Amino acid sequence: AQTVTQSQPEMSVQEAETVTLSCTYDTSENNYYLFWYKQPPSRQMILVIRQEAYKQQNATENRFSVNFQKAAKSFSLKISDSQLGDTAMYFCAFRISGGYQKVTFGTGTKLQVIP
Amino acid sequence: GAVVSQHPSRVICKSGTSVKIECRSLDFQATTMFWYRQFPKKSLMLMATSNEGSKATYEQGVEKDKFLINHASLTLSTLTVTSAHPEDSSFYICSAKGLADLAKNIQYFGAGTRLSVL
Repeated sequence: AQTVTQSQPEMSVQEAETVTLSCTYDTSENNYYLFWYKQPPSRQMILVIRQEAYKQQNATENRFSVNFQKAAKSFSLKISDSQLGDTAMYFCAFRISGGYQKVTFGTGTKLQVIP
Repeated sequence: GAVVSQHPSRVICKSGTSVKIECRSLDFQATTMFWYRQFPKKSLMLMATSNEGSKATYEQGVEKDKFLINHASLTLSTLTVTSAHPEDSSFYICSAKGLADLAKNIQYFGAGTRLSVL
């Protein structure tokens, strides 16, 4: 079974600063996907960024980037130039590639951006 | 990106009644839809996975007779909470995954339904 661990229940960051959210996972699989989802107060889940395990290059989406360490099974999210709209719950998620494999979510990190 | 519409966003019902929640993929064909339940300040718990035209696969501990899932078309899945009780009050979220490149290997989420059973 796969597990996803987010060890930071809550974090805060000053507007315009950089923050890193941690995520570790456990799996015996070699081919999988990792995701970061954002859930703002509206409760709408939004995909922030995804990473294929076979790719060594870290994924980047504008102000969002990841540090993917496959050997360490670590997948952290860095948010640069934090904005007030980044305030949300952030969930790290894992899915084995192929078929209709379900997504396993971490417990989430509540991020508060302070003006 | 792909859009998933979930309706209603909020429903209040009396104990013992049934409630139906709809999940629609608006601009892609969703071969697979997922239903999650989220408790306050908790993560998403997968309830079941439904593939178009076949019976849903329920996760361990989820009562299939209580949470009826129908995925009759490539754009619509429904979750019916039968004989609802106060303990069924929760936030229910659907997501959809399609074959098209846009949606491949990515789940797109609806905005969720808050169910309150009195």
